[in-house]
Amino acid sequence: DGGITQSPKYLFRKEGQNVTLSCEQNLNHDAMYWYRQDPGQGLRLIYYSQIVNDFQKGDIAEGYSVSREKKESFPLTVTSAKKNPTAFYLCASSMGELDYGYTFGSGTRLTVV
Amino acid sequence: AQKITQTQPGMFVQEKEAVTLDCTYDTSDPSYGLFWYKQPSSGEMIFLIYQGSYDQQNATEGRYSLNFQKARKSANLVISASQLGDSAMYFCAMSLNTGFQKLVFGTGTRLLVSP
Repeated sequence: DGGITQSPKYLFRKEGQNVTLSCEQNLNHDAMYWYRQDPGQGLRLIYYSQIVNDFQKGDIAEGYSVSREKKESFPLTVTSAKKNPTAFYLCASSMGELDYGYTFGSGTRLTVV
Repeated sequence: AQKITQTQPGMFVQEKEAVTLDCTYDTSDPSYGLFWYKQPSSGEMIFLIYQGSYDQQNATEGRYSLNFQKARKSANLVISASQLGDSAMYFCAMSLNTGFQKLVFGTGTRLLVSP
């Protein structure tokens, strides 16, 4: 079955460490996205990519980095510079068309200890 | 600025009753899409229903319907015959084509269905 796989489901990080969240899709979608979700807030866009080897900053990109070397993969690195990185992170993909919407992964819950 | 507003942090409904979750939006773009997603406690976002800005009819998908009032810029979700499994967070979102397809989300409404 086609879908998006995020791993790991839970991730613990010590302060001062970088950590990478994985996102893989087999839907042949061109566009991929990373969102952050905090309690009581909606989803906020971190980065997005419309094609391979190209990506753009979203609304809250500071302290994060991404790569898009393959169509199927869009990993997110939370750098040590990111303040308050504890949150739920959702990856999504889409055909990039207005009426298509997104397909989401099951999310990664990152906790800084 | 494009914005989605969900004013109900939480809603309660009894099983088998209908419930309406409110959503208002703000955009000056004539072409947009409106979505509702369900997020159970497990965390994944599940697509429920879509309404295009030029659609004349209200969208329906099984027990879900979208009450689209364009002049009032509202896109309320109606769930008929609520079930215990409907307990979840519900997010309204708007799709904009600002050079790429971007979804803007509201803050969500937590629905609790009681027996």
